Amino acid sequence: EIVLTQSPGTLSLSPGDRATLSCRASQSVSSSYLAWYHQKPGQAPRLLIYGASSRATGIPDRFSGSGSGTDFTLTISRLEPEDFAVYYCQHYGSSGYTFGQGTKLEIK
Amino acid sequence: EVQLVESGGGLVKPGGSLRLSCAASGFTFSSYSMNWVRQAPGKGLDWVSSITSSSSYIYYGDSVKGRFTISRDNAKNSLYLQMNSLRAEDTAVYYCARESPLLSSYSYMDVWGKGTTVTVSS
Repeated sequence: EIVLTQSPGTLSLSPGDRATLSCRASQSVSSSYLAWYHQKPGQAPRLLIYGASSRATGIPDRFSGSGSGTDFTLTISRLEPEDFAVYYCQHYGSSGYTFGQGTKLEIK
Repeated sequence: EVQLVESGGGLVKPGGSLRLSCAASGFTFSSYSMNWVRQAPGKGLDWVSSITSSSSYIYYGDSVKGRFTISRDNAKNSLYLQMNSLRAEDTAVYYCARESPLLSSYSYMDVWGKGTTVTVSS
């Protein structure tokens, strides 16, 4: 079973800053099956990135995804107030879906 | 508008049963695989189960295998989760989520409901 480890656990930044979130898989995975979501308090998760680097419909271009193999990155180029949330990476494999434990992006 | 609405959550005693429903609208439900994902209070996301568009293939997470049953009724645009032998650790918000299109080269969940809360407690 593939384990996804996200880092850091909490990231404290200010609006306008650049955010870099990491997702590391316990073994090499297909980029096609790597996705990113964010979740605000009391809301359902929202798809941001699929296929490691493709933005979902309606997602602003300040969000970008990259990586391959075991290391994947979500970058937010200039943080907006609405970007402060919890971010999850997700992988689809033979055992079904796996989520990382999440990175909380908080206002500094 | 594409929408998923869950219902059926509530308070149930350990060992009890509950059936969740998810009503889909705004898209061709019968063309998509569907998922249940849960989130325990203050915790992260935990995939529960998946079902393909025609119910041909069904998958479960290890923590619910043998206790939960996913099903769907394409004529009613509805997804279900029958939960038996419930435990305190099943307490969570349960979301239904639409999977990426059948012929897509990718796998992701692009539409989510708002969730329904299940509490297992005596």
